[in-house]
Amino acid sequence: GNSVTQMEGPVTLSEEAFLTINCTYTATGYPSLFWYVQYPGEGLQLLLKATKADDKGSNKGFEATYRKETTSFHLEKGSVQVSDSAVYFCALNNAGNMLTFGGGTRLMVKP
Amino acid sequence: DSGVTQTPKHLITATGQRVTLRCSPRSGDLSVYWYQQSLDQGLQFLIQYYNGEERAKGNILERFSAQQFPDLHSELNLSSLELGDSALYFCASGKNTEAFFGQGTRLTVV
Repeated sequence: GNSVTQMEGPVTLSEEAFLTINCTYTATGYPSLFWYVQYPGEGLQLLLKATKADDKGSNKGFEATYRKETTSFHLEKGSVQVSDSAVYFCALNNAGNMLTFGGGTRLMVKP
Repeated sequence: DSGVTQTPKHLITATGQRVTLRCSPRSGDLSVYWYQQSLDQGLQFLIQYYNGEERAKGNILERFSAQQFPDLHSELNLSSLELGDSALYFCASGKNTEAFFGQGTRLTVV
């Protein structure tokens, strides 16, 4: 079946630090990959996506590259801000059905 | 704003009771998904409907049921509630591979 594994948090960084949140997946075929972000008290928002191997998704300074050879979709940002503090979820969608989510990684950015 | 509307935002009820959560999808989306988010289980897929028909079923308890109506809104019914059912319940809608989430309903069972 499908599964997503992402690094456990919390990840605590100082403002302007470099961020990496690791995500690996198991799936048959060619899934689409996503990062969602959940700010405190809110629902999940789509942050970025990639639909095929070597695609790079990017949004708001975040980016992630679909690596089929390592079955990974790591999230990166060059300089985090306090406002980036949230929970980040990696997810995949196979065959147009429901999303399979990782466990979520809480990011805390300190001024 | 994702365009997905969930009501109510908060719900407090007693054990053994029954509640109904409502979801209005984005305009034009035929698929509706229900997810449960709890501290110990993370985000769990419950069920998907597509244009009124059940499409996929996940870890949904027998005490829970859902339906999608002709106007495409969906309801999730939770009955014989237990303390462990306290969680955030999200509805999402989408087409193709993307899903857009509502703000969720926070259910507290006391």
